[in-house]
Amino acid sequence: DQQVKQNSPSLSVQEGRISILNCDYTNSMFDYFLWYKKYPAEGPTFLISISSIKDKNEDGRFTVFLNKSAKHLSLHIVPSQPGDSAVYFCAARSDTGRRALTFGSGTRLQVQP
Amino acid sequence: DTEVTQTPKHLVMGMTNKKSLKCEQHMGHRAMYWYKQKAKKPPELMFVYSYEKLSINESVPSRFSPECPNSSLLNLHLHALQPEDSALYLCASSQAGGSTGELFFGEGSRLTVL
Repeated sequence: DQQVKQNSPSLSVQEGRISILNCDYTNSMFDYFLWYKKYPAEGPTFLISISSIKDKNEDGRFTVFLNKSAKHLSLHIVPSQPGDSAVYFCAARSDTGRRALTFGSGTRLQVQP
Repeated sequence: DTEVTQTPKHLVMGMTNKKSLKCEQHMGHRAMYWYKQKAKKPPELMFVYSYEKLSINESVPSRFSPECPNSSLLNLHLHALQPEDSALYLCASSQAGGSTGELFFGEGSRLTVL
């Protein structure tokens, strides 16, 4: 039973355009949501997070939106750059004291020059 | 440069071997984690240590044995593994009471079991 789902395994966008990566979750006990970026043969690198009490968090080219009623979050990257090409994982943390993250299956983003 | 260091980066072992994966962090974090990642799959939690005590074991087979000698070090001892245990093993750390949930990951140890 996947509690964090990324239904698009891949996404291709042109350089300079917006990339939108989506994530859905089922566990209403999640209190923090995070996005990680992963290059091949490397560990995941933290990108941006959002608390469940907020609906938007922005950091430079990266913005995360949270829709709690729909149990949906999205990561917007604008403008997209070729160096953004990687696998992006959505992750969530439960507020029950279990601090470990639950990850989605990832979306491979390819930014075309 | 990652602040979580994992060694070795690559390990090949037979099913009868005993080996260990090591992880070190110097960020003062008191929670450390082992995740396992198979190709094209998300990282899956194996173990969590909080203040050097094992707090979560995700029903991992006993052929994987974690150890946390001190607040900076985390080991994963491997014995009698199976070929299906071949994967990328990721170590991570975080503040034990961290409010943001951010985990810092190492680059991983790529394990191949023959």
